Amino acid sequence: GDSVTQMEGPVTLSEEACLTINCTYTATGYPSLFWYVQYPGEGLQLLLKATKADDKGSNKGFEATYRKETTSFHLEKGSVQVSDSAVYFCALVPRTNAGKSTFGDGTTLTVKP
Amino acid sequence: KAGVTQTPRYLIKTRGQQVTLSCSPISGHRSVSWYQQTPGQGLQFLFEYFSETQRNKGNFPGRFSGRQFSNSRSEMNVSTLELGDSALYLCASSGSGTSYEQYFGPGTRLTVT
Repeated sequence: GDSVTQMEGPVTLSEEACLTINCTYTATGYPSLFWYVQYPGEGLQLLLKATKADDKGSNKGFEATYRKETTSFHLEKGSVQVSDSAVYFCALVPRTNAGKSTFGDGTTLTVKP
Repeated sequence: KAGVTQTPRYLIKTRGQQVTLSCSPISGHRSVSWYQQTPGQGLQFLFEYFSETQRNKGNFPGRFSGRQFSNSRSEMNVSTLELGDSALYLCASSGSGTSYEQYFGPGTRLTVT
């Protein structure tokens, strides 16, 4: 079945450091790929998305590129802020099962001033 | 547009009882999915409803059930509660676009004692 593997956390960075959270997936066909962010006590917020190979999703300084050849969708940000501290989830949705997202285990990011 | 709303936000129940959670999707969205989030198992898909029909189902026991009404609002029910059912229950809605992103509500925190 479909699966998503995220790098294990937690990740602790100083403000203005570079961030990379690795995400690889296994799926049949060509799923849509997403990054969600979850702040304490809240639901998931869509951060960015990519729907086909070589698409780059971007939002709030975060970027991720859909790499079909390596089945990866790594999240990157050039300069993190304290306010980026949260849990980040990589997810896929197969085109044949649009209402069913498969999530990675989540990566907790803490950014220190 | 108003976001996805879930009620109640917090709930405390006793083992053996049953519970009903409610979700109102974003206006115009016809797909509603439910997920269970726990520290040990992460985010797990429960089921998805589309136009009042269950379209997808995850690997949960029959104690977990749901339904969707003609206005797309959805409810999920858990009967004979067990301690292990303590979790954050998230509802997500999606529209008819081709990118399949889901929009999440804030969740209902269920505690079973």
